[in-house]
Amino acid sequence: QKEVEQDPGPLSVPEGAIVSLNCTYSNSAFQYFMWYRQYSRKGPELLMYTYSSGNKEDGRFTAQVDKSSKYISLFIRDSQPSDSATYLCAMSSGGYQKVTFGTGTKLQVIP
Amino acid sequence: ETGVTQTPRHLVMGMTNKKSLKCEQHLGHNAMYWYKQSAKKPLELMFVYSLEERVENNSVPSRFSPECPNSSHLFLHLHTLQPEDSALYLCASSPGQSGRYEQYFGPGTRLTVT
Repeated sequence: QKEVEQDPGPLSVPEGAIVSLNCTYSNSAFQYFMWYRQYSRKGPELLMYTYSSGNKEDGRFTAQVDKSSKYISLFIRDSQPSDSATYLCAMSSGGYQKVTFGTGTKLQVIP
Repeated sequence: ETGVTQTPRHLVMGMTNKKSLKCEQHLGHNAMYWYKQSAKKPLELMFVYSLEERVENNSVPSRFSPECPNSSHLFLHLHTLQPEDSALYLCASSPGQSGRYEQYFGPGTRLTVT
């Protein structure tokens, strides 16, 4: 079993839709959770960073962590064509311990 | 310059060449990382430096040699590479203190080994 599982997609949604992206993990030591957005041929860009269960909101983005279920989500409201990218979840137990990344979900928002 | 910068952005090299990738972070962070990103695979951590000391080496072949002369600069020296080493090489940095371990990435170097 992989430490982090993420559906690769692709996921296609119409403009304005609410998008839900998810990851599951198996390592209960993970306590820091991140979401990155990566456009084609670019480096990953940090979107959200959280270290506790619950919700964290930033503009149109909401990150949700459920440690009891080992499940994290990223919600995008009012999705835009410019949101079309690959979204990577990442998690760590802290310190300089390895950050484990998901394989990424490719999202396409259709105008 | 802001954030994390990498040069060159694109590199084509033969299997017998020697080249170096450069990374610079302008964020005042304490830790720097090299990652390899290949198609349809998760990011692979190669090296971690904390305050210029290597803290992790993920069993990377010796044809990849990192160098961290100070907390702002990181190099990856390449020699005698194989075609399967063709990938996007990403540099990242993180604050590495006060519970802040999120990583900020540079744009990457697209490497092609012929």
